[in-house]
This record gives sequence, structure tokens and C-alpha cells, in this order.
Amino acid sequence: GQNIDQPTEMTATEGAIVQINCTYQTSGFNGLFWYQQHAGEAPTFLSYNVLDGLEEKGRFSSFLSRSKGYSYLLLKELQMKDSASYLCARGDSNYQLIWGAGTKLIIKP
Amino acid sequence: GAGVSQSPSNKVTEKGKDVELRCDPISGHTALYWYRQRLGQGLEFLIYFQGNSAPDKSGLPSDRFSAERTGESVSTLTIQRTQQEDSAVYLCASSLVPGTAAAGNTIYFGEGSWLTVV
Repeated sequence: GQNIDQPTEMTATEGAIVQINCTYQTSGFNGLFWYQQHAGEAPTFLSYNVLDGLEEKGRFSSFLSRSKGYSYLLLKELQMKDSASYLCARGDSNYQLIWGAGTKLIIKP
Repeated sequence: GAGVSQSPSNKVTEKGKDVELRCDPISGHTALYWYRQRLGQGLEFLIYFQGNSAPDKSGLPSDRFSAERTGESVSTLTIQRTQQEDSAVYLCASSLVPGTAAAGNTIYFGEGSWLTVV
């Protein structure tokens, strides 16, 4: 199928580091996106990976391994405002996005 | 406009009534998507428009749902004979071109239309 798998919920402490994993089916792969969605708001773009490796953007980094069908989003120096859902999405060969159900990240003081 | 604009932002309707939701994509964006998101759940694909190509309607949950798009501009999503299970936020998104290998082809979301069927 076209399953995108990511944990349902994670909890982390303010100031710490958290890694959110995402696995996906590799056939027809056309890029991997991460979006952030605060409760009651629309998703906003965080990162895009199409080649293997790590893309760093401030406190957030995203990693991709195409052969393993695996990505992660790494959040450093966590802040309370990072409490949100993080959505993993895979582009497919028809240029559409297949979305995971999202990982709800809870930040505790 | 500067971003994807959706209206109405909130709609409460009686079961059995028809509703029409509007999306105004970012100017120049050829691709337009409609998604549904129920409370606490992930994004559910509904329909995808790309330029003048035939839309991909594979995500529409029933024949009560339909959508149109005029050229590369405004789109409307219509739900006929609404049911309580239709209560959700309906998100519209657009992108410059389909998601090819360039980060600039990110899709951008509107703020959504929150539909409550009572």
C-alpha cells in the first residue's frame, strides 16, 4: 500500500532534543515533506528532502534514506511553542502527496 | 493574493442541507488540492486539480461530494445533503507546479473551512 507510518504521540522536555521518525513505501517516491500543524490551524511547511542525507534549517533538521524508505525530523533546543502535530508526507509519481496521520508532540517544562 | 484564501472560515449547517466551500489559491499556482481533516486525525485527500488536466477525484468519499475549478483560479467544493459525519475542517492547498524535485514546489495550505453539521 502507500502507508506512511509515524508515531502517534511523543513527549519531550523543554530544551531537549526529539527525533520523529517516518517510514514509507519506496515505490514511486518523489520527495519527502515535513509539515507542522498547531491545534486548530492549517499545516505549515517545514522541510523537503529528495536526496539522501541531512538538511539542516535552524533548530530543525530532516534526514532521508531513500533505500530504507525512512526519514526523521530532528528538533533541537525544544521550546513550548514546538508543541504541535508533525506531519510526514511522501510525494508520489503522480505528483500527489501521501500523508501520514501525524505525530502529536507534547513539550513539558 | 498573498496566500491561499478559503471561505467561509466557519459554517454550521443543518443535516440534509447543501454547502459550498470556496478556495482561492495563490496566484499562478497550477495545482490545487482539497483535503478533509476530522478532529485529531490526519489529512484525508479528496480531489486534485492540475491545470487543464482532468481532476483526480479518487478521494471523494461519496457522490454527495463534488468540486470544480475555473481554469487555474478559484475552486469550489460542494457537499450535498450534508450528514453529521461530514463535520470536519476542509483544507485547500495549492502549489506552483506538482511536487517535482524542487523545494520551491511546496504546497501551501489555507486556513480551512470548519464545517459543523447539526
